[in-house]
Amino acid sequence: DARVTQTPRDKVTEMGQEVTMRCQPILGHNTVFWYRQTMMQGLELLAYFRNRAPLDDSGMPKDRFSAEMPDATLATLKIQPSEPRDSAVYFCASGMDGYTDTQYFGPGTRLTVL
Amino acid sequence: GENVEQHPSTLSVQEGDSAVIKCTYSDSASNYFPWYKQELGKRPQLIIDIRSNVGEKKDQRIAVTLNKTAKHFSLHITETQPEDSAVYFCAASVTSYDKVIFGPGTSLSVIP
Repeated sequence: DARVTQTPRDKVTEMGQEVTMRCQPILGHNTVFWYRQTMMQGLELLAYFRNRAPLDDSGMPKDRFSAEMPDATLATLKIQPSEPRDSAVYFCASGMDGYTDTQYFGPGTRLTVL
Repeated sequence: GENVEQHPSTLSVQEGDSAVIKCTYSDSASNYFPWYKQELGKRPQLIIDIRSNVGEKKDQRIAVTLNKTAKHFSLHITETQPEDSAVYFCAASVTSYDKVIFGPGTSLSVIP
């Protein structure tokens, strides 16, 4: 049963530190999404890629967040420097355009910035 | 851009009763409407979806209805069970593989 994987599952860091979250999409999926979930804001789309190219990152604070896909099996979301308001669960999801009708979510990375 | 609203924000029902969650969307170009269920501490998982070319879709105890003219769609759960307790998110997008805009969620509690 293919699944999206994310690492780390939990991350506690101090304000000002760099945080890197990783996502491995389901093999063969060509679309990758990054979401942030908080109690106040719900599920927010931060960025998404198709065939490794960024299609939309308008939901992402550009000054501190960056998202990349170094290859088809790895997506990264980086925060530098991190702030307490970045504390949230970050989900990665993958899909296959024109084939699968759903986005498959990873287990999420719970980030706490102190 | 697309905006999705969802009501109610919380819903409590007795086991065996039905639950209905309603959503509205703003972008008339949206054609794909998935529903996700998220149990506490877990990832969101797709439970059912509907496209604009149909008005209703059923899968066992869950059904979705869509009114494109009014730009609203609903999730219906019949014969609710305690394991239906979760947060339910509606969403909308132009295609099934495009970016999806989520509603704020409905926390459903099924009381045994």
